[in-house]
Amino acid sequence: DIVMTQSPDSLAVSLGERATINCKSSQSVLHSSNNKNFLAWYQQKPGQPPKLLIYWASTRESGVPDRFSGSGSGTDFTLTISSLQAEDAAVYYCQQYYSTSCSFGQGTKLEIK
Amino acid sequence: QLQLQESGPGLVKPSETLSLTCTVSGGSISSNTYYWGWIRQSPGKGLEWIGAMYHTGKTYYNPSLESRVTMSVDKSKNQFSLKLTSVTASDTAVYFCARHTGIAVARTPRYYFDSWGRGTLITVS
Repeated sequence: DIVMTQSPDSLAVSLGERATINCKSSQSVLHSSNNKNFLAWYQQKPGQPPKLLIYWASTRESGVPDRFSGSGSGTDFTLTISSLQAEDAAVYYCQQYYSTSCSFGQGTKLEIK
Repeated sequence: QLQLQESGPGLVKPSETLSLTCTVSGGSISSNTYYWGWIRQSPGKGLEWIGAMYHTGKTYYNPSLESRVTMSVDKSKNQFSLKLTSVTASDTAVYFCARHTGIAVARTPRYYFDSWGRGTLITVS
């Protein structure tokens, strides 16, 4: 099984500042079949389902603001929010889909300082 | 606009079978592009993928739950369903249905989840 570990567990960032969330997989999620990283990011607000932000590690889902970006390859990935807005307060999850039995990170809670 | 809506009993007794249905609107469950499936979320285990199915009836299950899970589809109603047998308190969670999007690798699908239902809380007690 591929284990996904996020860091930090929580962080507080001021409005307009940059927020960075890390995700590490226990094995590489870069697949040789298409040279893509099988990694997605989600945002979840209280009482709501997760919302897809990023897939293929760096492709933004339609309608997602461009202040959200994903980077990384192999086993180490980063979600960056370039200029934090109030509505970005949420829990963020990474997910690997390298294996058919996919798995999620434990989540990172992002608060506004 | 695609919408998914879970329906189920809310409360299930230990050792009994949990049954949930997801109704899809604004899109066809018979699409050749997508899989459809279930994910649950509990405080103790976080987000856990349960399983996925294609409109042909082909299914893929999480190995940790495979012995207790059955998924089925009713194309006439644009619905798909989940049954989880022999439930215990550890199966208490919010259950989400979700559309699975992705790619086939070595003839097996790998997917992320681009549309979710609002979720339904299932308590085993």
